[in-house]
Amino acid sequence: DGGITQSPKYLFRKEGQNVTLSCEQNLNHDAMYWYRQDPGQGLRLIYYSQIVNDFQKGDIAEGYSVSREKKESFPLTVTSAQKNPTAFYLCASSIRTGGTDTQYFGPGTRLTVL
Amino acid sequence: GQQLNQSPQSMFIQEGEDVSMNCTSSSIFNTWLWYKQDPGEGPVLLIALYKAGELTSNGRLTAQFGITRKDSFLNISASIPSDVGIYFCAGGGDSSYKLIFGSGTRLLVRP
Repeated sequence: DGGITQSPKYLFRKEGQNVTLSCEQNLNHDAMYWYRQDPGQGLRLIYYSQIVNDFQKGDIAEGYSVSREKKESFPLTVTSAQKNPTAFYLCASSIRTGGTDTQYFGPGTRLTVL
Repeated sequence: GQQLNQSPQSMFIQEGEDVSMNCTSSSIFNTWLWYKQDPGEGPVLLIALYKAGELTSNGRLTAQFGITRKDSFLNISASIPSDVGIYFCAGGGDSSYKLIFGSGTRLLVRP
């Protein structure tokens, strides 16, 4: 049963703590992405990775870090430097079709910083 | 940078009515994707369009890739309560892996 899994579904952390969000895919997709979604708003790209051991900053990378040591995994760390980390975080992976990438999303992780 | 204008921002309709929403841009895209997001869940891909002028259906949903490559629309026929959610369009370029997302259309259906 192929898909994208994100864990946990809900995460609570104290202010000042780093926290790592998990994203795993078994779709054999090369590219993976992290987005942030705030209430009533669209999706903003944090980081993306086209291949293993390589990743690029998106539009709002400050206060976040990623790694891509395996094709299947793209964990996101929300650091204490992120000023407003409470949000809904979405992971996606993509396959290239017709010259561009069709992205598929995981179920999301809602992070609340207390 | 590239931007998408998605409209309307929200719609409140009666069950059984048809719905239409669209996205426009000043930039050309090679791909248009339409997603639906239920509350607290990730977006689910509804329709993918890869060719200018392409018209594709998925059940009660129909989407078209504008001939100018700068716009796309999504129609939902005979709406039902489970159509409630936020619908996003996304445009893809040629060499970039990045998608540009619209701000979403929130659909509410009155039974």
